[in-house]
Amino acid sequence: SQTIHQWPATLVQPVGSPLSLECTVEGTSNPNLYWYRQAAGRGLQLLFYSVGIGQISSEVPQNLSASRPQDRQFILSSKKLLLSDSGFYLCACVVHTQYFGPGTRLTVL
Amino acid sequence: RKEVEQDPGPFNVPEGATVAFNCTYSNSASQSFFWYRQDCRKEPKLLMSVYSSGNEDGRFTAQLNRASQYISLLIRDSKLSDSATYLCVVSHTGTASKLTFGTGTRLQVTL
Repeated sequence: SQTIHQWPATLVQPVGSPLSLECTVEGTSNPNLYWYRQAAGRGLQLLFYSVGIGQISSEVPQNLSASRPQDRQFILSSKKLLLSDSGFYLCACVVHTQYFGPGTRLTVL
Repeated sequence: RKEVEQDPGPFNVPEGATVAFNCTYSNSASQSFFWYRQDCRKEPKLLMSVYSSGNEDGRFTAQLNRASQYISLLIRDSKLSDSATYLCVVSHTGTASKLTFGTGTRLQVTL
């Protein structure tokens, strides 16, 4: 069965600093991968999805970018964080249905 | 109007009670439906898929009404461990590839 790893688990960053969150997947090949954000008291918002290496689709205009340098690696980045980037970031992959990683809790101060 | 709407709750019920959650979706082309469970500060986990004929998994029963664009989840004999947020999820594509999540309904089961 697939396993999704995310790190770091928690992160506190100042406004204007860069960001890199990593997601890796084990137990499946060529998965569809997703980045979601869940802001406090709000639903999951799909940020990016990828159907293969180097293929990224953005769902909403924003301060973030994503990359997929390897089949089972998905990275979420920002050059300069905003306060509104705070939230719970979840990586997911599809194997019959969507499975989520443990998430990264980001606080921008 | 949100694509997937849920009553945020909280629903506070005693152990052993039966509780039902409802969800409505706006896109009549939606093809796949799911309930996810999310514990506090954790990732969502699939609870069950929802089929047109309705389906049951132990104490949990899910129903779909396509005509009314309405999904329900019934939990019988509630346990303390059922306390969580329940997310209603729909897909337009017939697969799990593009999911739209409701904001969730919070359930608190008490002694």
